[in-house]
Amino acid sequence: AQKVTQAQTEISVVEKEDVTLDCVYETRDTTYYLFWYKQPPSGELVFLIRRNSFDEQNEISGRYSWNFQKSTSSFNFTITASQVVDSAVYFCALSEATQAGTALIFGKGTTLSVSS
Amino acid sequence: DADVTQTPRNRITKTGKRIMLECSQTKGHDRMYWYRQDPGLGLRLIYYSFDVKDINKGEISDGYSVSRQAQAKFSLSLESAIPNQTALYFCATSDYRGTAFFGQGTRLTVV
Repeated sequence: AQKVTQAQTEISVVEKEDVTLDCVYETRDTTYYLFWYKQPPSGELVFLIRRNSFDEQNEISGRYSWNFQKSTSSFNFTITASQVVDSAVYFCALSEATQAGTALIFGKGTTLSVSS
Repeated sequence: DADVTQTPRNRITKTGKRIMLECSQTKGHDRMYWYRQDPGLGLRLIYYSFDVKDINKGEISDGYSVSRQAQAKFSLSLESAIPNQTALYFCATSDYRGTAFFGQGTRLTVV
């Protein structure tokens, strides 16, 4: 069965600090997709990134970067030089691409608080 | 207009009442989902549907039912609401890879 674990429940940092959010997943499939979503205080869920299981290349987008390692079943998310606007709940999620199809499964989320 | 629209946005109902939450989408996706969010528990899957004739139970389907009226419409019903169903409910659609687009959520309070 698929499972996503975000061990960090809450993280607090001061502006300009770098912060890494951890995500560990479990799946028996060889083809799957991993995601990060952001939920700011306003409550909407915002898609940040998707990676497929065949592409372990790390990705950087502005202050955001993602480190995908199949060997450790991890898909970690780093924010460089954090800002107050980064304060949100961040969810890691997994989708298996089997023919039967499985739904998108989420971790419990990590609440990031960035203070000025 | 939003790609995924949920109605109502907020609802207060009494214990034992039947309530329906509605979701419609303009993304053209076949896959639709209902999730429930509770503090500290993340997003838990209630039901999902991969096409109009396909309905699947998720992690926490007890006490809920769904109807897929069309590709674009997926409704969630609470046949007899109870207080521990008080939560924030999200509808979502996705492509086959699972990239999900969410509605703005329905805050349901059962008193």
